[in-house]
Amino acid sequence: DAKTTQPPSMDCAEGRAANLPCNHSTISGNEYVYWYRQIHSQGPQYIIHGLKNNETNEMASLIITEDRKSSTLILPHATLRDTAVYYCIEGIYGQNFVFGPGTRLSVLP
Amino acid sequence: KAGVTQTPRYLIKTRGQQVTLSCSPISGHRSVSWYQQTPGQGLQFLFEYFSETQRNKGNFPGRFSGRQFSNSRSEMNVSTLELGDSALYLCASSLEGGVFQPQHFGDGTRLSIL
Repeated sequence: DAKTTQPPSMDCAEGRAANLPCNHSTISGNEYVYWYRQIHSQGPQYIIHGLKNNETNEMASLIITEDRKSSTLILPHATLRDTAVYYCIEGIYGQNFVFGPGTRLSVLP
Repeated sequence: KAGVTQTPRYLIKTRGQQVTLSCSPISGHRSVSWYQQTPGQGLQFLFEYFSETQRNKGNFPGRFSGRQFSNSRSEMNVSTLELGDSALYLCASSLEGGVFQPQHFGDGTRLSIL
C-alpha cells in the first residue's frame, strides 16, 4: 500500500499557483519524496524529487517541512495543460515506486 | 532523444490466450520496470530488470513474466489471460548511474481481454 496521503481532488484557476499537499508521516531518513503526474492517456511524467531541502526546477517547486512529515508541490502559474493526476511517492533510491491514488488537479479557465 | 517506446499501443485478446508486450527504453538506460494500471487498483509494480536480470518483483502471479535483452529492450508476457488482466501496461526506464535518475515512462499498451 502507498505510504503517502493526498487529497483526492483539487481545483485551481488558470494562471494561479497550484499547491498540492502530501502527507508522508512515516517517512524514514533515507527516503526521498518524488512527484509524478499523469495526464490522461499518457504515462506518468517525472516532476521533481527531494530529501530534506526545498527544490525547484523548470516545472515546479517542492517544499518539504522540517520534520519531513509532509510536503507541498507548487506549480507557480497553472495552465490548462497542468490538468492531471499528481502522485506523491516516498521511497528509497533503487526501490520501485508504490503509487497511491494521487490528487486529480483540475485547472479551470 | 527518443522516449520510452511501447508496442503495440492497443491489443485485444480473449481469455486463455497469451500476450507479449514490448518496451524499448531510452538510449543508454539500463533499468526497465513494468507496471499495471487499472481503475480499481491504480498503478501497481510488476517487475524490474537491470542488465538482463530481474532485480525486483511485485506481487503478481507467475502468469506474468518478463525478460530483458542485451540491448536493454524488454518484453513482458502474460499467459492464460483472464478478464482481470485488462489494463494499461506501462514500462519505465532509468539510467542507474549510481545517483537518483528519474524513471521515464512510455505511454503504455492498453490490453483488453474479451
